[in-house]
Amino acid sequence: KAGVTQTPRYLIKTRGQQVTLSCSPISGHRSVSWYQQTPGQGLQFLFEYFSETQRNKGNFPGRFSGRQFSNSRSEMNVSTLELGDSALYLCASSLNPGGTGNTIYFGEGSWLTVV
Amino acid sequence: QQQVKQSPQSLIVQKGGIPIINCAYENTAFDYFPWYQQFPGKGPALLIAIRPDVSEKKEGRFTISFNKSAKQFSLHIMDSQPGDSATYFCAASIGTDKLIFGTGTRLQVFP
Repeated sequence: KAGVTQTPRYLIKTRGQQVTLSCSPISGHRSVSWYQQTPGQGLQFLFEYFSETQRNKGNFPGRFSGRQFSNSRSEMNVSTLELGDSALYLCASSLNPGGTGNTIYFGEGSWLTVV
Repeated sequence: QQQVKQSPQSLIVQKGGIPIINCAYENTAFDYFPWYQQFPGKGPALLIAIRPDVSEKKEGRFTISFNKSAKQFSLHIMDSQPGDSATYFCAASIGTDKLIFGTGTRLQVFP
């Protein structure tokens, strides 16, 4: 069974540009969540989607947005990139959010460098 | 109230030792407490998780101890190996996939 797949794995963008990151969850998983990981702030929650609906949103500016498609794939977008947006962006998926025994699986992440 | 405090920041043990990593929380609504292991350049991988109605859970060499009254939980790694050298994160959530992570513990196990 394939794991959570994120593309692209590495990318370099210039300040002011925008970026779109993609995530394919584990087959059958309908919940997708996104996290930002930086050395200074650690792992911080961005969004959670379930059946195309945003269930939760973290404390990030409006430049960060996301969406989920009917096949459970998800994308996140960051507009007007700033140097501080350089981070590892992690996508995670699960079968039954909040359910007993539910496991949240992470992808390998997309490394974004803003120059 | 949404924070999860993790300690220590780093830990060095010899092979065979039992490193212990501690986490504390304030929000009593948290109902799911997973531990993740992360190697450099990789995404976090779930090690073991516990719910507040259980005081201890073991999976292989990994044990979670959970103290509901003290609002603390800890990870013990029995017979630690050099291959266990990684960063460990505790986390907590309330009925969703929104995980609140601790700040991480970098573990080094020397032969």
